[in-house]
This record gives sequence, structure tokens and C-alpha cells, in this order.
Amino acid sequence: DTGVSQDPRHKITKRGQNVTFRCDPISEHNRLYWYRQTLGQGPEFLTYFQNEAQLEKSRLLSDRFSAERPKGSFSTLEIQRTEQGDSAMYLCASSFGQGDEDEQFFGPGTRLTVL
Amino acid sequence: SQQGEEDPQALSIQEGENATMNCSYKTSINNLQWYRQNSGRGLVHLILIRSNEREKHSGRLRVTLDTSKKSSSLLITASRAADTASYFCATDLDLYSGGGADGLTFGKGTHLIIQP
Repeated sequence: DTGVSQDPRHKITKRGQNVTFRCDPISEHNRLYWYRQTLGQGPEFLTYFQNEAQLEKSRLLSDRFSAERPKGSFSTLEIQRTEQGDSAMYLCASSFGQGDEDEQFFGPGTRLTVL
Repeated sequence: SQQGEEDPQALSIQEGENATMNCSYKTSINNLQWYRQNSGRGLVHLILIRSNEREKHSGRLRVTLDTSKKSSSLLITASRAADTASYFCATDLDLYSGGGADGLTFGKGTHLIIQP
């Protein structure tokens, strides 16, 4: 399977704990995006990378959130001191990052539940 | 905040009928995209229409875009049970017109149910 993969698919944690998610994009894609989706809502943009550079961060990305893409390939999203409001589906997407028709391919997501 | 608003929020039709969903947005865009999401396959890209295009077709899908009204519609013809899913419009904002982040901005979606 050469699509976007995410790990883990599900994560249950207690409030105050730190969690880290991983995303492996499609190998030739330069851009990698993180989104968050809560029940009944559409995905909300968090941040994106062009190769290893983090170019944009949403206001939704509080100081407890940090994302990295150290070698321009896979990316990690860490949430420190989790809160119940962090419970959501975290989606990763990747794209070539060129032109006006830059289709984003989404992974299956990591569902986070904070107890 | 979410830029797009889909209408209706939910739609239930008989198999074989056509389904039409609408999307409105607020700021200038480079392009508008439609995605489908169901529990089995996650978010799947359906079709992209650029800001200088008015209509686009892909199989049973027809998308229109009216930039003067800041609205788009998605028509699914001859619906099938497998079309049951949530459908989202997503805009790629025009940063040079004061748009926001470079990620897509999604609406809340239309939940489509196809009755067999």
C-alpha cells in the first residue's frame, strides 16, 4: 500500500499525559499536513511542512502541540499535557505541493481519546 | 473557524435518484475541492475545480463554481448505496487576497444517505 499511513490508529490516554502520533506520507510528496477533526465537524487545519520546514501553523495549534518532520519524510505530532478537549481524530495528508491543482491525500487518521 | 458551509446538513434519497449538495465560502480562493468521508475509507478526494472554471465533470459527479456568489454545488447522478457518506467542500485560500493558512479549509459536511 503506497498511501499515507498513520500510527497508531487509536490512542486512549489519561489527562495530563503526553502522546505522539506518526505520519508516513506518500514517498514522493513534498508537503505534509496535519488536521484535527471532531465529531460532526469537518477537518481543521493545524500545520504543514514543505519538506522539513514547518511553514504555517494554525491558531488552533497551542503551545502544547509540536510537530516535526526531521528528514522531510515522516512527521510526528506531539501533544503534551493532554486535555479532554484534545479528543479528536488527527488526520495527516500529503501532496506534491506544486501548481494550482495540489490534491491532498489523507491517511486513515489517529483517533485520540483523553479520559 | 470553518470557511465553507455545506447545505443541506443531511440528505436522504432513494437509490438511483440524483443528489445535490451546496457549499458556500467567504474569502477568495485558488480552488475548491470536494471530499467524501466514510468510516471504511477515510477522506477521499473526489474532484477539484479551479477559481477560473465554472463547471467540471468526473464520472457521475458534476461540480459547479460561482465565484461571484462564493458558492459551489456537487451533483451525484444515479446514486448508489455505496455513495452513502459525508461530503465536504474544502477551499484552498488565495493567500494574496488576505487568505489564511495554506492548508485546506473544510466545511461541516453534508451527510448523504442512499436508501436501497
